[in-house]
Amino acid sequence: ETGVTQTPRHLVMGMTNKKSLKCEQHLGHNAMYWYKQSAKKPLELMFVYSLEERVENNSVPSRFSPECPNSSHLFLHLHTLQPEDSALYLCASSHSGTGGNNEQFFGPGTRLTVL
Amino acid sequence: LAKTTQPISMDSYEGQEVNITCSHNNIATNDYITWYQQFPSQGPRFIIQGYKTKVTNEVASLFIPADRKSSTLSLPRVSLSDTAVYYCLVGGVFSNTGKLIFGQGTTLQVKP
Repeated sequence: ETGVTQTPRHLVMGMTNKKSLKCEQHLGHNAMYWYKQSAKKPLELMFVYSLEERVENNSVPSRFSPECPNSSHLFLHLHTLQPEDSALYLCASSHSGTGGNNEQFFGPGTRLTVL
Repeated sequence: LAKTTQPISMDSYEGQEVNITCSHNNIATNDYITWYQQFPSQGPRFIIQGYKTKVTNEVASLFIPADRKSSTLSLPRVSLSDTAVYYCLVGGVFSNTGKLIFGQGTTLQVKP
């Protein structure tokens, strides 16, 4: 248990569906992240929120839409996905700040399959 | 953005010490060096972080030479449960030098 939870753990969806991934952290952190990890590829940073404001958007397609209503919750809204979007989606949180001394705590991930 | 280079894979046997070296020639003054461990279908887990010289915790040691252009993660007496992917990262999301970049990592296979 890292203090970061993700739901659902597994999701299968068609290309025309709309679904949302949820992440919640119980660590009192003020920064949250979405990562994508495709099979045999390194983690790709998708979005970063600090104090509920988006500070990083890594050229992610608009079919992925993040939402951070408060510092404890992060959502990733999905619509009209493609099969190549099938991957493990990981949420993480940390204290924000400078200097690189910001250990990230990861959730268990959501295994997404797009049919 | 500081890029890291580390071996794709390593094999070891139970009880041995494992050293994984990471190169980061473009490391910036404000960058920290951080190592994460990832098991299949799980999120990465922080192992150790350092800025210079040597850092040790209950899990591993991190050796950083004076020029900071490389670092070595040392895992003492590995067990089968240490089989995982190990990532070397440089920087920090909110540092002046940019964001954390996960590379390919080193897949460590510990054999009985």
